Amino acid sequence: KAGVTQTPRYLIKTRGQQVTLSCSPISGHRSVSWYQQTPGQGLQFLFEYFSETQRNKGNFPGRFSGRQFSNSRSEMNVSTLELGDSALYLCASSPGGGPDTQYFGPGTRLTVL
Amino acid sequence: DQQVKQNSPSLSVQEGRISILNCDYTNSMFDYFLWYKKYPAEGPTFLISISSIKDKNEDGRFTVFLNKSAKHLSLHIVPSQPGDSAVYFCAARIQGGSEKLVFGKGTKLTVNP
Repeated sequence: KAGVTQTPRYLIKTRGQQVTLSCSPISGHRSVSWYQQTPGQGLQFLFEYFSETQRNKGNFPGRFSGRQFSNSRSEMNVSTLELGDSALYLCASSPGGGPDTQYFGPGTRLTVL
Repeated sequence: DQQVKQNSPSLSVQEGRISILNCDYTNSMFDYFLWYKKYPAEGPTFLISISSIKDKNEDGRFTVFLNKSAKHLSLHIVPSQPGDSAVYFCAARIQGGSEKLVFGKGTKLTVNP
C-alpha cells in the first residue's frame, strides 16, 4: 500500500499571502489529521477530518482551516500568513474506527518571509 | 498545560546496550499510547503502541511498558543500533471518538558505535 503523500514538499510564501497544502491518505483510511511542528512548540494538533466532517480542532486561530473530500483526500489552508506560521506541516491518516495507529506523511515545509 | 512530558531532551547509549526512553502523562482520559521515531525534515515513523488496558507490548527489539497508576510509560530498545539514532516522540490519544494525538517534546537518542 502506498503511504501518506503530501504536496508540495516545500513552499516559500510572504507575509499576508495564503497557502493551501494537500494530503492523500493511505487507501481505505477515512480519518485525516493535521499537525504543525515548530522547534519551540513541538508537534501540535490542528484538526481532524473523518468522512468529510471536522471531528476535532486544536487551539489555532481561524486563519487555519481545512476540508476533506469524498475520496478522503484533505487540504488545509492558511490565510494571511504570519512569520510564525513557518513550520513543518504534517498530515496523518488512520482507518478512523479508533483507537488506531496514525501514519504520517513526509510533511510540507512552509517558510514565510 | 503539557499533558505529555518527555523530561529527557537527549539520551546517549552504546551500541548493543539497552535504550530506555521515558514519558509521563497527566490526563487519565488517555486510552492509547504510541511511540514514533523521527528524522529531521521527515514525518514521524510509527514504532509501537499500547492500549491503556495493557501494561506491556513487544515488537522485535522494541518493548513499551505502561504503568497507569504512575501515569508513566517507557520504550525499551534492545539491543540498540546506530540506525536507531533519531528523535523519539511519545504520543497519547484521548478516549472519545477523535484521532487527536497529544505529543511530548521528544527525546533525541544517539547510539554510539
